[in-house]
Amino acid sequence: EAQVTQNPRYLITVTGKKLTVTCSQNMNHEYMSWYRQDPGLGLRQIYYSMNVEVTDKGDVPEGYKVSRKEKRNFPLILESPSPNQTSLYFCASREDRGNSPLHFGNGTRLTVT
Amino acid sequence: GESVGLHLPTLSVQEGDNSIINCAYSNSASDYFIWYKQESGKGPQFIIDIRSNMDKRQGQRVTVLLNKTVKHLSLQIAATQPGDSAVYFCAEGDSWGKFQFGAGTQVVVTP
Repeated sequence: EAQVTQNPRYLITVTGKKLTVTCSQNMNHEYMSWYRQDPGLGLRQIYYSMNVEVTDKGDVPEGYKVSRKEKRNFPLILESPSPNQTSLYFCASREDRGNSPLHFGNGTRLTVT
Repeated sequence: GESVGLHLPTLSVQEGDNSIINCAYSNSASDYFIWYKQESGKGPQFIIDIRSNMDKRQGQRVTVLLNKTVKHLSLQIAATQPGDSAVYFCAEGDSWGKFQFGAGTQVVVTP
């Protein structure tokens, strides 16, 4: 089944403790992206990657890092999480062609205390 | 499941009726539009898309209408069912493949 898989689904951590949220897709998509979703707001892009070893900042990149060493994986790294990073995070991928939709994972609920 | 519907506008629809969900987009340069459905505890699920050279597109029980003059997008769901209860949001994309997302509308289907 074609899918985007994120882990973990739920994560509670403390301020300053480094964490990684993994994302993997099995559709051979070149493009991958991370979003955060907060109540009453639309999805906001954190980082994206057009292909292996190519990453770029989205609209809200502060406090986050990403890497793209393999085509299928795109982990999101929070080196020193803060409470304002408490949010619902989604990984997404799409084909690298014009006008192709994003396919989303099921989300990671992160709480930073 | 996770609550993403806080502070969202709500559309209450009786089962069997048609639903119309509206979205105003902001970027005149946007040339690709998508509707997503998000159920509690799940990621956004693709419903239907439309390119800017079209003004209407139909899928199974769904129709998307695009009015570029007033930058308005709508999703019509025919014969709404309980399983249609979810948050629906639109996305606008540009030629670079960058998307902007609406906050969404909570659809509640009542029996």
